[in-house]
Amino acid sequence: GQQVMQIPQYQHVQEGEDFTTYCNSSTTLSNIQWYKQRPGGHPVFLIQLVKSGEVKKQKRLTFQFGEAKKNSSLHITATQTTDVGTYFCAGPPYNQGGKLIFGQGTELSVKP
Amino acid sequence: DTAVSQTPKYLVTQMGNDKSIKCEQNLGHDTMYWYKQDSKKFLKIMFSYNNKELIINETVPNRFSPKSPDKAHLNLHINSLELGDSAVYFCASSQDPARASPLHFGNGTRLTVT
Repeated sequence: GQQVMQIPQYQHVQEGEDFTTYCNSSTTLSNIQWYKQRPGGHPVFLIQLVKSGEVKKQKRLTFQFGEAKKNSSLHITATQTTDVGTYFCAGPPYNQGGKLIFGQGTELSVKP
Repeated sequence: DTAVSQTPKYLVTQMGNDKSIKCEQNLGHDTMYWYKQDSKKFLKIMFSYNNKELIINETVPNRFSPKSPDKAHLNLHINSLELGDSAVYFCASSQDPARASPLHFGNGTRLTVT
């Protein structure tokens, strides 16, 4: 079946360092969504990318959608302790609207 | 105002019992979901309802039965609970699933089966 793989599974950084998580799908996605889940919390929607090669920024966060619409990345510049949490990518395969397939998530810890 | 609310937040029960989790959304969305998050934080879709109609039913044991009395509510009933059912269950809703509208999650119900 369709899979969305995310790496790394865990990332420990010193505050101020950069962080990147990568998302790869076995099939073409109609769009990619990113969510953040704080420890003990629930996933919260961050952003959606739709176009091939699209790049979007939210302050220190940069999101990219690959040209083939099968991969994506989230880059955080100069991490802060407030960035702690698990970051998930999710995407619906073409012709399966509504069924979001989530990656396994990347758990980010930031040491002050 | 809470957008997607689910109760209870914590549920501790013994094997073999039957339990229910309730979910309500006040966003006016037509579609609601149940997701299961295991100990490794993997989020897996279980069910999806669109305006009270079941549209996604993943490979879930028959012991799990969702019910949607109206489009603002989606409840989950679990019969004969097993140890492996221990997880966090998230309810979610979205505006337009055909366009993969973002999901709005509830706070989750942490189910512990002993």
